[in-house]
Amino acid sequence: ELKVEQNPLFLSMQEGKNYTIYCNYSTTSDRLYWYRQDPGKSLESLFVLLSNGAVKQEGRLMASLDTKARLSTLHITAAVHDLSATYFCAADRREGNEKLTFGTGTRLTIIP
Amino acid sequence: NAGVTQTPKFRILKIGQSMTLQCAQDMNHNYMYWYRQDPGMGLKLIYYSVGAGITDKGEVPNGYNVSRSTTEDFPLRLELAAPSQTSVYFCASSKLGVGNYGYTFGSGTRLTVV
Repeated sequence: ELKVEQNPLFLSMQEGKNYTIYCNYSTTSDRLYWYRQDPGKSLESLFVLLSNGAVKQEGRLMASLDTKARLSTLHITAAVHDLSATYFCAADRREGNEKLTFGTGTRLTIIP
Repeated sequence: NAGVTQTPKFRILKIGQSMTLQCAQDMNHNYMYWYRQDPGMGLKLIYYSVGAGITDKGEVPNGYNVSRSTTEDFPLRLELAAPSQTSVYFCASSKLGVGNYGYTFGSGTRLTVV
């Protein structure tokens, strides 16, 4: 059974600082996803990582995947207030009945 | 394209009542899913379907039922609502297969059982 863990659960950081959210998963996974959720809203897809060493960047966010360590990271560079949200990682597998398993989320608050 | 459409957006139920949460997608996706999200928590899978006529349990299926008679629709039935079913419910779909990945989520249904 695939399990996904994130840390930290809560993160409060000042504008302009850098930080990293970590996502570990328990068994072999084929794809790793990062989502953003604003309060009362649905999930917005940020990144899909498909292979070992994959790195994707969008603005101040960069995601990477290390399949050997079963670890993905979401790095925030020079944080701005607009990045305040809850971030989820999730993983699935190609073979068998594909279904997305979520981490518990990281609630990020950017302080001016 | 509308994507994944969920109705209703909000609902208040009394304990013991029943209701059906509707989910429809117009993307010809083969996979469909129901998740619930409790306050401050991640999403947990209730049921999923790999195609019309095929459904399977997820992590938290108790108290729910599903059916998938068409590719487009995947309704979630709550029988005998309980306060523990107060949550936000998200429907999602995906066209998984060789070279395909990614999930589309609906806007959610916020359910309160009192």
